[in-house]
Amino acid sequence: GENVEQHPSTLSVQEGDSAVIKCTYSDSASNYFPWYKQELGKRPQLIIDIRSNVGEKKDQRIAVTLNKTAKHFSLHITETQPEDSAVYFCAASSNDYKLSFGAGTTVTVRA
Amino acid sequence: NAGVTQTPKFRILKIGQSMTLQCTQDMNHNYMYWYRQDPGMGLKLIYYSVGAGITDKGEVPNGYNVSRSTTEDFPLRLELAAPSQTSVYFCASSYGGENEQYFGPGTRLTVT
Repeated sequence: GENVEQHPSTLSVQEGDSAVIKCTYSDSASNYFPWYKQELGKRPQLIIDIRSNVGEKKDQRIAVTLNKTAKHFSLHITETQPEDSAVYFCAASSNDYKLSFGAGTTVTVRA
Repeated sequence: NAGVTQTPKFRILKIGQSMTLQCTQDMNHNYMYWYRQDPGMGLKLIYYSVGAGITDKGEVPNGYNVSRSTTEDFPLRLELAAPSQTSVYFCASSYGGENEQYFGPGTRLTVT
């Protein structure tokens, strides 16, 4: 099955700086890559996703890039704000439509 | 729309007891999922369903059972609870297999 690895496990950034989270996946058949944000004690919520026919996607301060050859994808958050503090999960979906999640990155934005 | 709802929010079970975690969605989604999230870890898929009457195992199905008799409901049954099943359980639903999954608020289960 699909194996998704996520780095780093924790990330502390100064408010206004950028944050980058990287994920790798093992199944070359994977073609859907969502990112979820989970605030403390809350449910995960989708923040952005990308499909294999696209190399980059942007939504305001967040962007995701995908390198299918290298089997890795990244989340970029620019101009970080305190409300960006949360746990972020990457995931990958293969042809069987099951999502495999990374272990998560705890992002802390320092004021 | 209420989205995805789960009951109960919290539960404490004794070893060997059984219980059913309820999940309901009102978005007419075909796909429904059950995940468990252990402290500091990602989400592990327990079971999923692509439509009423169809269920399949995920990554960690042992000790659990599911049924899907309607589009709206996807209950998760724990038989003979064990301490290893202490976790937060999330139900989710989506329109398709490669679409946004909407999560319920979670059930925090402790087995002692």
